[in-house]
Amino acid sequence: EIVLTQSPGTLSLSPGERATLSCRASQSVSSSSLAWYQQKPGQAPRLLIYGASSRATGIPDRFSGSGSGTDFTLTISRLVPEDFAVYYCQQYGSSPFYSFGQGTKLEIK
Amino acid sequence: QVQLQESGPGLVKPSETLSLTCAVSDYSISSGYFWGWIRQPPEKGLEWIGSIYHSGSTYYNPSLKSRVTISVDTSKNHFSLKLSSVTAADTAVYYCARINVADFFDYWGQGTLVTVSS
Repeated sequence: EIVLTQSPGTLSLSPGERATLSCRASQSVSSSSLAWYQQKPGQAPRLLIYGASSRATGIPDRFSGSGSGTDFTLTISRLVPEDFAVYYCQQYGSSPFYSFGQGTKLEIK
Repeated sequence: QVQLQESGPGLVKPSETLSLTCAVSDYSISSGYFWGWIRQPPEKGLEWIGSIYHSGSTYYNPSLKSRVTISVDTSKNHFSLKLSSVTAADTAVYYCARINVADFFDYWGQGTLVTVSS
């Protein structure tokens, strides 16, 4: 079973700052099978990044993903107020097939 | 734009069976893709429950496999979740979603809160 560990648990930043969120896998993950989601209170998760680095349709270019193997990163270049939310990474692999990280809460400082 | 909508009882008694349906619009389930269920307990993270293909092939999370059944009805363009012998630990928002061929969840329903309580 692949376990995804996200850090930090909470990230406090100000609008305009750069956010760097980490997702570490317990074993190597195919880059094509790593995705990132944003979730705001009371809403379903929204796909941001797939294949580790490809932006989903309609996602602003201030969001970028990188990484390979066991270490992946979501970067938000310049935070705007609507970016403050919880972010999850997700991988597809061997059983249990799909797993999510525990989330990083990005809050306004 | 694919749309998904969950429906079902918001309150289920302990030991009973939770049943939810996900109606899909603007896309025919028969055209392909896997379709899945994900849940999120209050103030917690996301957990994949299981997935189904239009042919009926299913994959379940091993931690829930003994209690989960997912089925599909292509004539009604919807798929369903049954979770048996529920306890308070099954209280969660349940989401349905489409699974892209590259194994990510690209379209989600709005979610429905199911509370397990007597």
